Amino acid sequence: DAKTTQPTSMDCAEGRAANLPCNHSTISGNEYVYWYRQIHSQGPQYIIHGLKNNETNEMASLIITEDRKSSTLILPHATLRDTAVYYCISAYSSASKIIFGSGTRLSIRP
Amino acid sequence: DVKVTQSSRYLVKRTGEKVFLECVQDMDHENMFWYRQDPGLGLRLIYFSYDVKMKEKGDIPEGYSVSREKKERFSLILESASTNQTSMYLCASSSLGGQGAYGGETQYFGPGTRLLVL
Repeated sequence: DAKTTQPTSMDCAEGRAANLPCNHSTISGNEYVYWYRQIHSQGPQYIIHGLKNNETNEMASLIITEDRKSSTLILPHATLRDTAVYYCISAYSSASKIIFGSGTRLSIRP
Repeated sequence: DVKVTQSSRYLVKRTGEKVFLECVQDMDHENMFWYRQDPGLGLRLIYFSYDVKMKEKGDIPEGYSVSREKKERFSLILESASTNQTSMYLCASSSLGGQGAYGGETQYFGPGTRLLVL
């Protein structure tokens, strides 16, 4: 599975959009980009995934660049409950072994 | 919604004790996983299972064993607990994955068990 790089930490004002970047420059053609988050003292929670096209669900939007070397997770209206560590992962499938990197610690300011 | 439950949220054991951590999922998933999570080290895979009675070692299996007698249940066993096994233990499950066009399956995690070994 390809390696991803993310900023160590970010912050965002409550009610604003939080944009979390991820670089996956060595991603191969049939690897997906997954995003999970982990709120303190809880298990990781799946957010969204995509292959080539941008994706949106009730939690977030995922924007993948045309060359697929980077992506951005967008939380459209951040709330205090979105404070968590966000992990970007690239893999053929996260059904089997996946590797969680260090992630981005997102803090939401009231 | 997929539900993955773990038998305890917090557990305190003594060195040398045998410890059982239980995980149950209710979505008929084929795959189940045990991770441990430590500050600065992220999530590390201990063991996983693709089917009943099947098990595969992950990255850090030493000091652990697992049991999967039923599809919905995956147990992690610490044969003789040691202080360096103090950690957060996370169970996960997923449906059978594949490559290519069928990729994209996700793992669903339980709430975690915080184990303290004294």
